[in-house]
Amino acid sequence: GAVVSQHPSWVICKSGTSVKIECRSLDFQATTMFWYRQFPKQSLMLMATSNEGSKATYEQGVEKDKFLINHASLTLSTLTVTSAHPEDSSFYICSARSLAGASDTQYFGPGTRLTVL
Amino acid sequence: GESVGLHLPTLSVQEGDNSIINCAYSNSASDYFIWYKQESGKGPQFIIDIRSNMDKRQGQRVTVLLNKTVKHLSLQIAATQPGDSAVYFCAELGSNDYKLSFGAGTTVTVRA
Repeated sequence: GAVVSQHPSWVICKSGTSVKIECRSLDFQATTMFWYRQFPKQSLMLMATSNEGSKATYEQGVEKDKFLINHASLTLSTLTVTSAHPEDSSFYICSARSLAGASDTQYFGPGTRLTVL
Repeated sequence: GESVGLHLPTLSVQEGDNSIINCAYSNSASDYFIWYKQESGKGPQFIIDIRSNMDKRQGQRVTVLLNKTVKHLSLQIAATQPGDSAVYFCAELGSNDYKLSFGAGTTVTVRA
């Protein structure tokens, strides 16, 4: 149980276009989902916290107008990278915090590799 | 400020030997720590966790030790196998906001 999926697993886009990444909790409900970005050979950096039914909260230095987050239901959060540029190329990972059981537990998705040409 | 970091960026270990990965944290109020394993191109995978009211916790082939006096965390992997080759991260969970702060990561390479 406690599976989190991401779609797509990888995407290549042209500079200036927008890309949407989905994060789904497949067998549990998640009031909170987190979005991370990871550059090559670096650690995971939290970008934002996504709460179902409310606005996302962004970490310092993350542009909320560039990284649009929508937490439409208890099983789905989306991250849209708007007007993507090559420097946005990265590995984007989401995690979901389960409503049930130990609330400290976060389950991670497999990540989405974004390459902006 | 708060930070979670790792002592060594890389670790090369002979197959069958034990591995020890270290992590330091600076927030003495931290009360929950997690070790994750990340294979290339994949998301982090939970290995083991420990709360501040414990000094040691054991799992299958893994042991986490917590030394609150020096704010140090370690992960021990027994009888390291080729499948253990990955990047290992320690992470600290914020007590109020449930945000995870990750350390820099240690790359473990297992030699056959």
